[in-house]
Amino acid sequence: SYVLTQPPSVSVAPGKTARITCGGNNIGSKSVHWYQQKPGQAPVLVIYYDSDRPSGIPERFSGSNSGNTATLTISRVEAGDEADYYCQVWDSSSDHPLVFGGGTKLTVL
Amino acid sequence: EVQLVESGGGLVQPGGSLRLSCAASGFTVSSNYMSWVRQAPGKGLEWVSVIYSGGSTYYADSVKGRFTISRDNSKNTLYLQMNSLRAEDTAVYYCARARYSSSVVADYWGQGTLVTVSS
Repeated sequence: SYVLTQPPSVSVAPGKTARITCGGNNIGSKSVHWYQQKPGQAPVLVIYYDSDRPSGIPERFSGSNSGNTATLTISRVEAGDEADYYCQVWDSSSDHPLVFGGGTKLTVL
Repeated sequence: EVQLVESGGGLVQPGGSLRLSCAASGFTVSSNYMSWVRQAPGKGLEWVSVIYSGGSTYYADSVKGRFTISRDNSKNTLYLQMNSLRAEDTAVYYCARARYSSSVVADYWGQGTLVTVSS
């Protein structure tokens, strides 16, 4: 089944830009979705179909996807952005169609 | 407004059974893909099962043969029947609407229900 690889942690200073990667074989041919999860809370969708933002998600959140890497970019990082972030794809040809990455802990210094 | 409310979690002994429910409002469960996702303590998200609008079901290898996903259209509710439970099934279980277009994205999630498997 399809495997998504994320770095366990990313650290960034407030006001700077954070980039969280999600690696997969030819992931650029799939649609990638990103979720934010804060401690004790359910995941929240922040980016879908590579780069679309649900209503209510700040423009500071953006996404891209090409080749073997998808990237979630958070500009002008705030303390409230500290959370775990997960990428996800749908592998339509598989018996295990929903695939999540291992998650990345974003720490705001 | 879309809402998903899980229930049915609790403490169960190894080998026991539990049925989780996910009551939906604001949309029709049977017209959507629906999924269960779990999170063991301190771990990441793990996909468990999905039911497509047409009724096809799929399971993670870790639960195949022990868990069954189903829905009750009259109650607009999703279920997860969990049998032969193991300690490694201990987790918060989330239901999610898995909206389908050209891909599947979990656009709404419930608050989660905790399942603890322990003697």
